[in-house]
Amino acid sequence: DAGVIQSPRHEVTEMGQEVTLRCKPISGHNSLFWYRQTMMRGLELLIYFNNNVPIDDSGMPEDRFSAKMPNASFSTLKIQPSEPRDSAVYFCASSLMGGNQPQHFGDGTRLSIL
Amino acid sequence: GEDVEQSLFLSVREGDSSVINCTYTDSSSTYLYWYKQEPGAGLQLLTYIFSNMDMKQDQRLTVLLNKKDKHLSLRIADTQTGDSAIYFCAESRSGGSYIPTFGRGTSLIVHP
Repeated sequence: DAGVIQSPRHEVTEMGQEVTLRCKPISGHNSLFWYRQTMMRGLELLIYFNNNVPIDDSGMPEDRFSAKMPNASFSTLKIQPSEPRDSAVYFCASSLMGGNQPQHFGDGTRLSIL
Repeated sequence: GEDVEQSLFLSVREGDSSVINCTYTDSSSTYLYWYKQEPGAGLQLLTYIFSNMDMKQDQRLTVLLNKKDKHLSLRIADTQTGDSAIYFCAESRSGGSYIPTFGRGTSLIVHP
């Protein structure tokens, strides 16, 4: 079975540009999570969705960050405008909702803002 | 302080046992997890333990939980070079909608 699929795997862009990260969760999973991983701050939960509805976006660092989940099989995380301090690895994860349902992670997008 | 704390590095010799330790602060934690992250990849669930258990064994992996001290450990027997990775401890609780809180991760380095 296909796991969580993220694209692109790597993104290098100049500051000020818009960046869009994409995620396809595992079919049948109804929770989706966006994380950011850096050496300084470790793994941070940015936002999560249940049944395509954003539940908690308190981890989104600034208004420059936005996330959408238009349907059960697709989500985007957008940064506009991007800044060098946004450089990190961004992970998408999905799971079934509730109880002990482990999260399944994608391989991440390594984002570098110059 | 952090909700979940781990030491950052552990170095072991191939064939020895590795013990990775984790402490957490929330006594209402329901599930405790160990994830493994290999270079260039996402986190992969290794094993988990329910808070009413003391121990769980799965092949080379042994998880020990001391609920009184809020201490969780992961023992890897006969550590191999392929075990080199970052290991994350995480906890979740029903009051937190079961969303796991992750530690900073322990980098396990296995040398010949």
